[in-house]
Amino acid sequence: DVKLVESGGGLVQTGGSLRLSCTTSGFSFPSYWMSWVRQAPGRGMEWVANNNLDGSGEFYAASVRGRFSISRDNAKNSLHLQMNNLRVEDTAVYFCARDVADPRGRGYFDHWGQGVLVTVYS
Amino acid sequence: SYEMTQPPSVSVSPGQTATISCVGDGLARWFVHWYQRKSGRAPVLVMFEDTKRPAEIPERFSGSKSGTMATLIISGAQVDDEAEYHCYSTDINGLYKVFGGGTKLTVL
Repeated sequence: DVKLVESGGGLVQTGGSLRLSCTTSGFSFPSYWMSWVRQAPGRGMEWVANNNLDGSGEFYAASVRGRFSISRDNAKNSLHLQMNNLRVEDTAVYFCARDVADPRGRGYFDHWGQGVLVTVYS
Repeated sequence: SYEMTQPPSVSVSPGQTATISCVGDGLARWFVHWYQRKSGRAPVLVMFEDTKRPAEIPERFSGSKSGTMATLIISGAQVDDEAEYHCYSTDINGLYKVFGGGTKLTVL
């Protein structure tokens, strides 16, 4: 079975940093693009970032570009999101998702983790 | 910024057909995909590439698209289908990945 498990969430003050991790199993991790998606309380979902098969290509939503960094470790089947200079509006549940993407990164998410809560306070 | 519009809520009685719309200019060019989100649980893909249903999703779920509007249809909705439903696609130029605002489906 495909499994994705996020970790690393928590409570952080504005301007602080957090590093989220996503541990995967049950599929060939190096064969898939991977994404982070978030959902703020009472809001819709928002795609945050994704990276390509070897991690050489990284793509970000405008709201996080320059503050967040996505990376992957294909040897450990894991995905990471380094979040710096956090803002109150970054408060959300963050999901790791397997990305069925074309070579330009367009596609859909076919498997998701349960999510991890990040709360940023001022 | 590019947006896709969904109704905030839809309510039906068990056994009725629920239809959830998603409107966005990019849908005229790109596929739409649909996710079900129940509180505290991982989102689930219920429809991809406009009309394709994952094997594990019940046949009562179907999708359609015409021009800039896509529709998720649940024929004979069940109480277990109560959830938020989110459409997902790309802007017309294929640059921005966007979700609709989500629709809360109530079945009672």
